[in-house]
Amino acid sequence: ILNVEQSPQSLHVQEGDSTNFTCSFPSSNFYALHWYRWETAKSPEALFVMTLNGDEKKKGRISATLNTKEGYSYLYIKGSQPEDSATYLCALRGNTGNQFYFGTGTSLTVIP
Amino acid sequence: DAMVIQNPRYQVTQFGKPVTLSCSQTLNHNVMYWYQQKSSQAPKLLFHYYDKDFNNEADTPDNFQSRRPNTSFCFLDIRSPGLGDAAMYLCATSRWGTNEKLFFGSGTQLSVL
Repeated sequence: ILNVEQSPQSLHVQEGDSTNFTCSFPSSNFYALHWYRWETAKSPEALFVMTLNGDEKKKGRISATLNTKEGYSYLYIKGSQPEDSATYLCALRGNTGNQFYFGTGTSLTVIP
Repeated sequence: DAMVIQNPRYQVTQFGKPVTLSCSQTLNHNVMYWYQQKSSQAPKLLFHYYDKDFNNEADTPDNFQSRRPNTSFCFLDIRSPGLGDAAMYLCATSRWGTNEKLFFGSGTQLSVL
């Protein structure tokens, strides 16, 4: 069992604001780091799969960075929109099997 | 079209009455996972299958069992549900591989009365 932590737990921002969240994990157990978006009443959906130190991924207004040496990843949302409101989960795939271990998520609410 | 399907969406059971949750997939993925999520907590991995190979997490209670009769279906059996087992249960699938992401069902919300 690997401990994955996310902060903040929840966030309220105004439409148009940019924001970011943090995911931290034990660097010695790293194999891959995933970000998922989970909207209410829907299934979690993958945003990014990151495997290399220094990886930067981008999808529209959302981007993510990865530091495997120090054990953290940042997710950035530029110019938040109400449709970005969701819970953002990160998951660590450890280096000993197929298991994925999730953080508690960051619940984002974008206020119009 | 839904690719990972969980039934039912909501399940109510009585304390101590066995209950089965089901998950099916049309993706032909060889890995299937069951997660339990309680309010404001991280989804907790209960177990996973790699093909027919069953992998139990060390802290998964014996009250939770799983079956995978074929590639497409996976079941979660709770033998004697307690009040503490009320939670959202998520099924996920993936192909085996470095860059493979998880595909989730919409979950089953279990209530125990």
